[in-house]
Amino acid sequence: DTAVSQTPKYLVTQMGNDKSIKCEQNLGHDTMYWYKQDSKKFLKIMFSYNNKELIINETVPNRFSPKSPDKAHLNLHINSLELGDSAVYFCASRPGQAIYGYTFGSGTRLTVV
Amino acid sequence: TQLLEQSPQFLSIQEGENLTVYCNSSSVFSSLQWYRQEPGEGPVLLVTVVTGGEVKKLKRLTFQFGDARKDSSLHITAAQPGDTGLYLCAPDQGGSEKLVFGKGTKLTVNP
Repeated sequence: DTAVSQTPKYLVTQMGNDKSIKCEQNLGHDTMYWYKQDSKKFLKIMFSYNNKELIINETVPNRFSPKSPDKAHLNLHINSLELGDSAVYFCASRPGQAIYGYTFGSGTRLTVV
Repeated sequence: TQLLEQSPQFLSIQEGENLTVYCNSSSVFSSLQWYRQEPGEGPVLLVTVVTGGEVKKLKRLTFQFGDARKDSSLHITAAQPGDTGLYLCAPDQGGSEKLVFGKGTKLTVNP
């Protein structure tokens, strides 16, 4: 069983569209994250939820809205997609403390045309 | 905001060679993690180092945490093509809810 699963794996869409990426973890972890990896492979944190509560919201445009229906799921909805949103988006989860390390999903490659 | 540098940015070597990559900062960390990311996949945790001066070994990979807990190194002995990937360091300053990743070292091991 995949520990952290993201769907879809690939997403190609036109500018101005609205799209969602889903993430589910079956590890029983309390904290989940969304990271964005740009073309230069730099991983930057976007959001973090702990037990459905938003705890980190980095400087991300309002067009990005995370939603956590329960602690095993963290979805990312993006409105009015722009060319600059093209990137690979990674979902990750971790148990109570950061020292235990993150488990990442395999990523969603978003291409906005 | 901590300044975190990984070097080299790119490294291409032949199978069987040894190599060392570095993760440096001016900040002191409570712990530091190393991840490897293969193409098309998410980063995978390799090791966590906690104590200043700590050395951990994972088969042919040796990880060291600096005495002052501001830097770390990863040494690979007799590199193999399967070691190819992006190596990321992620220090934890303690009490933070997030890991901040370095920009990584992209390693290519040619057969």
